[in-house]
Parts: sequence; C-alpha cells; structure tokens
Amino acid sequence: EDKVVQSPLSLVVHEGDTVTLNCSYEVTNFRSLLWYKQEKKAPTFLFMLTSSGIEKKSGRLSSILDKKELFSILNITATQTGDSAIYLCAVEWGAQKLVFGQGTRLTINP
Amino acid sequence: DAEITQSPRHKITETGRQVTLACHQTWNHNNMFWYRQDLGHGLRLIHYSYGVQDTNKGEVSDGYSVSRSNTEDLPLTLESAASSQTSVYFCASSGVQHAGYYEQYFGPGTRLTVT
Repeated sequence: EDKVVQSPLSLVVHEGDTVTLNCSYEVTNFRSLLWYKQEKKAPTFLFMLTSSGIEKKSGRLSSILDKKELFSILNITATQTGDSAIYLCAVEWGAQKLVFGQGTRLTINP
Repeated sequence: DAEITQSPRHKITETGRQVTLACHQTWNHNNMFWYRQDLGHGLRLIHYSYGVQDTNKGEVSDGYSVSRSNTEDLPLTLESAASSQTSVYFCASSGVQHAGYYEQYFGPGTRLTVT
C-alpha cells in the first residue's frame, strides 16, 4: 500500500527560528513529490520535486528530494508568524494522482 | 478571474440521506478531483475525472459517486450519508503546466457533518 509519512505532526517554534519538516514515502510508480501549504482554507502549491539532490528555493523556503532514501525535507529559515500553517507533502504516483501525508502543523509564536 | 468554487460551504445532514456537493471551475481545466480531509489522514482521493464523461475511483470511493457532463462541473454525491463521511471535502482542478507539472488548484472546501 502506498504511504506518505510526515514528521513531526506538530511543531511550535519562536519567530526567527529555522525549521525542518520531514516527509518519507513508499509509493510505487513515483513521478514527483509536492509540498503544499494549508492555512485556514485550501492547500496552495509550494514546490514540486522530481530529481534527487536538486534544491528548490522560494524566498525563505527550500526543499530537496532524496530518491534513494525515499524522503524529502522542507526548510523554512527566519520563520515569521505568517508561516503558521499545515504543511502537506504529497507524492504523485499516476497521472496527477496524489497520495498525501498527514501534514505537519507548524505554529510560529512571536 | 478564473476560479474554483464549492457549494455549500457547510452542510449538516442526517444519516441515510443523499447529499450532493457541487464543484465548479472556470479555468476550462480537463482534470478534476475530489478529496476528503480528516485528522490524521491528510487528504485522500475519492474520485477523479480527466474529461467529460470520464470518471475514476480513488482510494476511498466507497459510498460516493461523481458524474462529469461538462468541463466546468464535477458534483460529488453521497448516496446514503454515514457518520464516517463527516469530513471536509476539497475539489481540485488542473490543466495548466507549472514547471512541468499540472498544478492542482483547490477549492475552498465543504465541511460536511452527518448526524
């Protein structure tokens, strides 16, 4: 059975800290790994990763994929209260079919 | 501006009733998806469609059905609502490439409570 596991499930840090969110997967027919941010509404797309070792960056967020060890990390540096959200990892295993992890609830305290 | 909408945003229904959740997108996307989100499970795929008259079962399709009669709409029907179907339901659509990936755009969600 295809599985995506995120850790930690919940994380509370202070503004300015750096955080690392983890995503491991066991998925047949892997095509890509995606990260989403979900605030009080719909998930919004952050990154798509298909190749090992190539870091994707967007401002203070970055992500990398290791296809040998079957995991990805999402880093957020200099966190701000606006980064508080649920971060979802998903693996595409067919034509746009996604299997999601449970999500990491990140809380940034001022 | 193009968008994806869901209605109703909140719904309370009784066990055994038939319920239909609407999803409408104005991007002219071919691909549409229904997910449910529950604590501890993330989002799980219920049904999906790659075009008009095409529908496919996802990982948690039991008790749900969809139909695709036009490009814009993919209504989700709960044939006989059960308490286990209390959840938040998200519709998504895709059809535009974003750096090699057909990015899925999610609707605002419908919170369904079955009593």
